[in-house]
Amino acid sequence: EPEVTQTPSHQVTQMGQEVILRCVPISNHLYFYWYRQILGQKVEFLVSFYNNEISEKSEIFDDQFSVERPDGSNFTLKIRSTKLEDSAMYFCASSPGYSNQPQHFGDGTRLSIL
Amino acid sequence: GDSVTQMEGPVTLSEEAFLTINCTYTATGYPSLFWYVQYPGEGLQLLLKATKADDKGSNKGFEATYRKETTSFHLEKGSVQVSDSAVYFCASLNAGGTSYGKLTFGQGTILTVHP
Repeated sequence: EPEVTQTPSHQVTQMGQEVILRCVPISNHLYFYWYRQILGQKVEFLVSFYNNEISEKSEIFDDQFSVERPDGSNFTLKIRSTKLEDSAMYFCASSPGYSNQPQHFGDGTRLSIL
Repeated sequence: GDSVTQMEGPVTLSEEAFLTINCTYTATGYPSLFWYVQYPGEGLQLLLKATKADDKGSNKGFEATYRKETTSFHLEKGSVQVSDSAVYFCASLNAGGTSYGKLTFGQGTILTVHP
């Protein structure tokens, strides 16, 4: 069964550095998402992406964050000038459509900011 | 905005016990509802879904019925196994208008099943 893959599984970065989290969505899916889960808290929506544009973003997704689909297979989340509070598990997801369509999640990237 | 509330955990059961994890939602309109499961060290896996009122989602012995009148989507299983130990997340999706597939999650319920 096709799956969403995320790399790396764990990223350790110094505060203030830039980090790029990578995802390969399921190949015939059209909608892509990033979520994050701070330890002990809820899974929170960050952004949805369709047709090379952001469709929706949360208040968490400020100018520090950006997303990109640099080629036909990858979907990336960039965090500029990381802060301690960016430490979390980041999940990528994809779906064929957005209405009633279940989203398929990757295993996540654990981001640790030192 | 939309929100999802799950029962407080953790839940600890013996094998073959009956499981209920409560989930209620608030939303404008009629969201689709999902249960996701996260096994240790893994990502979120879709367990079951329901897209309209009175729909029953089912998978691997788990069931949940979309109850519009009580805005609930409780997860049940008649006889749990040790392998069901995981974190369970209830989620709603209210696509339409300005929303493009944003899932709203509950806080997750840790289930531990002992032999």
